[in-house]
Order: sequence, then C-alpha cells, then structure tokens
Amino acid sequence: KNQVEQSPQSLIILEGKNCTLQCNYTVSPFSNLRWYKQDTGRGPVSLTIMTFSENTKSNGRYTATLDADTKQSSLHITASQLSDSASYICVVSEEGGSYIPTFGRGTSLIVHP
Amino acid sequence: DAGITQSPRHKVTETGTPVTLRCHQTENHRYMYWYRQDPGHGLRLIHYSYGVKDTDKGEVSDGYSVSRSKTEDFLLTLESATSSQTSVYFCAISEPNGEQYFGPGTRLTVT
Repeated sequence: KNQVEQSPQSLIILEGKNCTLQCNYTVSPFSNLRWYKQDTGRGPVSLTIMTFSENTKSNGRYTATLDADTKQSSLHITASQLSDSASYICVVSEEGGSYIPTFGRGTSLIVHP
Repeated sequence: DAGITQSPRHKVTETGTPVTLRCHQTENHRYMYWYRQDPGHGLRLIHYSYGVKDTDKGEVSDGYSVSRSKTEDFLLTLESATSSQTSVYFCAISEPNGEQYFGPGTRLTVT
C-alpha cells in the first residue's frame, strides 16, 4: 500500500528562524511529489511540484528537495514569518495513477514572534 | 483558486437527514474529487470523477454517494447523515500534470 509519512507532526519556531520538514514515501512507481500549505480554515494551496528528474525547487522562501533513490523529500523554510504558521502537506502521485495521489497527514508549524 | 466554489460553506444538520454538498468549477477540468479532513487523519478521498457520469470510490466512500451530470458540478450526498460524518469537506480538481487545486471547504456538523 502506498504511504506518505511526514515528520515532525508539529513544530514551533521563533520568527526569523529556519526550519525543515520531512516527507518519506513508499509510492512506486513515482510520478511527482507536491508540497501544499494549508492555512487554518482554508483549502490547501500548492507550494511546489517536483518530478523524478528534479531534485530541488524553490518558491520564494520555500525550497523543496527530492531524493528519489531514498524516497525522501524535505521542505525548507527560510527566515520564517508569522504568516508561515500553517499545516504543510506532502502529496505523492504514482506513475500511471497520478490522478489519485497519496497524502501525508501534514506537519503543523507554529511561528512565534 | 482555479475557479472552484463549494456550497454551502457551513451546515448543521441532524442525524438521519440527507445532505448534499455542491462543488462547482469554471475551467472545464475533467477530474474532480471529494475529500474529508479530520484531525489526525489528514485528507482522505471519498469519491472522485473522471468525467460526466464517470465516478469511482475512494478509501472512505461508505455512507456517501456522488453524481456528476455536468462537467462543472460534482455533488456529494450523505443519504442519512451520522455523527461520524461531522467533518470538513474539500472539493478538488486536477490538471493534466497532476497538480490539484482545492476549494475553500464545507464545514459539516451532524448533531
């Protein structure tokens, strides 16, 4: 069964600090991996999407990395802001079945002033 | 937001009553999805559609039915609501590259 595991489950950091969120997956064959940000009370919004051939992708202060050999991804947030407080969800799609992705349970990030 | 709207945005209903949630999209996407999101479980797929009148079950489909009579509308029906169906429901569409866009959500409370 395809699985996506995220760690940590929750994280508290001070404003201005960096942090890294982890995602491990067992989805195979791999098609793409996406990171979403979900603010409280709203739907998830895409941050990055990476295919097999991509090992890093940035979106402003967000940088995602992918190691398809070890089936690991990370999301690095630089110089955190209060508005980064949200849940971050890792989603992985299977080749040929990319329309039914597998979701992680998310990491809840709280940024304190 | 890829032109996705959900209605209603909030609903409180009693156990045993039927409930229908509506998802509407304006960009002619083929794939549409209904998810529920609960604390500790993340997003779980209820049903999805790959075209008009073409639907299939997800991992938590028991107690739910769907219909898609037009490309732009995907309806989720709880035939007889139960308290375990209290949740936040999200509709989503998928682009050909697999990228998904989500609606704003519907918060359903079954008392």
